[in-house]
Amino acid sequence: DSGVTQTPKHLITATGQRVTLRCSPRSGDLSVYWYQQSLDQGLQFLIQYYNGEERAKGNILERFSAQQFPDLHSELNLSSLELGDSALYFCASSVEGWEYSPLHFGNGTRLTVT
Amino acid sequence: AQTVTQSQPEMSVQEAETVTLSCTYDTSESNYYLFWYKQPPSRQMILVIRQEAYKQQNATENRFSVNFQKAAKSFSLKISDSQLGDTAMYFCAFQGGATNKLIFGTGTLLAVQP
Repeated sequence: DSGVTQTPKHLITATGQRVTLRCSPRSGDLSVYWYQQSLDQGLQFLIQYYNGEERAKGNILERFSAQQFPDLHSELNLSSLELGDSALYFCASSVEGWEYSPLHFGNGTRLTVT
Repeated sequence: AQTVTQSQPEMSVQEAETVTLSCTYDTSESNYYLFWYKQPPSRQMILVIRQEAYKQQNATENRFSVNFQKAAKSFSLKISDSQLGDTAMYFCAFQGGATNKLIFGTGTLLAVQP
């Protein structure tokens, strides 16, 4: 158990809808990362937050947004969903945001858009 | 920008044998970390081994070891005494630069045959 909690585990929704994925980092970790893994592909970095502030942005679509709250949990919002958004979404956390600390991954949220 | 390349999409090994997975990377950073993550069919992301670029000694973790060639920008993973539970997708990842985020390769699917 990595200590990173992601909810829900599975999500099935229709095109055009909006969903929110939630992540609780390990106790003591200040940084949260979101990754997208489409079918049989590698992990694509979406966005990173450190102590409530956005630190780095990757290939995140404008339809997607995220935030990190004062209690350090994070939410990834996906809107106007398309079939191609179906993927496994991982959250990871680390102690620091820039000092090469290992990332610990949650078990992911599997999103299916029909 | 940093890139990570895994040129072996799939590999197969007999149980109890040794197998080496390849990874190359490109970066202009002088200090960084390299990782191997394992993703079994459960889709969890499990940290296998970590190498710090400024350390010349290759990292080892039980049956897992790396061959880190900094000048060649090569970072291979050796799995000794392969076990059926080693069957998984293996991702090489780079961490360095201004943020703590990981950049992943496309993965190598390893099948351990009985």
